[in-house]
Amino acid sequence: AQSVTQPDIHITVSEGASLELRCNYSYGATPYLFWYVQSPGQGLQLLLKYFSGDTLVQGIKGFEAEFKRSQSSFNLRKPSVHWSDAAEYFCAVGAGNNDMRFGAGTRLTVKP
Amino acid sequence: KAGVTQTPRYLIKTRGQQVTLSCSPISGHRSVSWYQQTPGQGLQFLFEYFSETQRNKGNFPGRFSGRQFSNSRSEMNVSTLELGDSALYLCASSLQDTQYFGPGTRLTVL
Repeated sequence: AQSVTQPDIHITVSEGASLELRCNYSYGATPYLFWYVQSPGQGLQLLLKYFSGDTLVQGIKGFEAEFKRSQSSFNLRKPSVHWSDAAEYFCAVGAGNNDMRFGAGTRLTVKP
Repeated sequence: KAGVTQTPRYLIKTRGQQVTLSCSPISGHRSVSWYQQTPGQGLQFLFEYFSETQRNKGNFPGRFSGRQFSNSRSEMNVSTLELGDSALYLCASSLQDTQYFGPGTRLTVL
């Protein structure tokens, strides 16, 4: 069965600084990979997804992620963080047929 | 297109009662999944419905049940509520293996 690890529970960055959120997955085949963002008390919003093809994926709000099969990773990056990016970020891995596993999440705090 | 809608957004119940939550998927989406989110356990998969049939099920007791109607709208029911059922319940509709989430229903059990 697939699983996801987000090693960082909480990250703090200064506004304007770059951001990288880590995600490692475990799955035997080529996974479907996702990043979602959740603001307090809200649902999850899809940032980007990877199914196949180009391993660098562009998403909404200036985010991108890179699939590295050799490292079983799908890290999320943003070159310059805005205060509105403060939220919780979830990495997820899918096996198709909507069988998805979510990581525990990384809470992002943005310092002024 | 309208997004996934969930009703009600907030609910307060007492132990032993039952509750029904509703989810309307994005138009054209035939799959609806339900998740429970708590600070301690994170996001946990409850079940998924596709074309009115339960296709996947998570590891929750039988007090948690669901159904899907012919218009793809889905309901989940929790009977004999316990304090530990207090959570944010999220519904997601999906198309081509991508899930789109609703805003959730915040259930508080007193």
